[in-house]
Amino acid sequence: GENVEQHPSTLSVQEGDSAVIKCTYSDSASNYFPWYKQELGKRPQLIIDIRSNVGEKKDQRIAVTLNKTAKHFSLHITETQPEDSAVYFCAARVRGGSQGNLIFGKGTKLSVKP
Amino acid sequence: NAGVTQTPKFQVLKTGQSMTLQCAQDMNHNSMYWYRQDPGMGLRLIYYSASEGTTDKGEVPNGYNVSRLNKREFSLRLESAAPSQTSVYFCASSRPSGGPVTEAFFGQGTRLTVV
Repeated sequence: GENVEQHPSTLSVQEGDSAVIKCTYSDSASNYFPWYKQELGKRPQLIIDIRSNVGEKKDQRIAVTLNKTAKHFSLHITETQPEDSAVYFCAARVRGGSQGNLIFGKGTKLSVKP
Repeated sequence: NAGVTQTPKFQVLKTGQSMTLQCAQDMNHNSMYWYRQDPGMGLRLIYYSASEGTTDKGEVPNGYNVSRLNKREFSLRLESAAPSQTSVYFCASSRPSGGPVTEAFFGQGTRLTVV
């Protein structure tokens, strides 16, 4: 089955710096890669996603890149702000079959220091 | 439009007690999921249901059972709770009928403590 590895587990940056979180996946059939942000005590919420037919996607200060050959994808946050502090999860979904499996990485706790 | 609603929000059980976590979605989604979240372990899939009438095991199904009651509702049952099942449980749903793969929408979570 699919396995998603996420690094680093914790990341601390100064306000205004960039943050990069990386994930690798094992199943080459995976075709959908969402990123979720979870604030303390809240539910995970989607911040950006990318499908396997696209190499890069950007939404304001957030971007995601996908390298299908290497089976890795990354989240880039530019000009970080204190409100970006949260736990971020990457995930991968396998194509075909029941399409039931959305497998998550273990999360990255991002701290943005003012 | 409430999205995904799960109950209860908090629960304390004694070892050996049973309980059912309820989940309902109003987005006409085919797929529904139950995850558990433990510190440092991320979100681990317990069970999922790709469509009404079907259920499949995820990564950590032992000690749990599920029922996809209808398209809207997907319940998770602990028959004999154990301290190792202390966790935060999230229900989620995705994929409108006839549509492409979409994001998963999460409920607000249930914080379960087994003593």
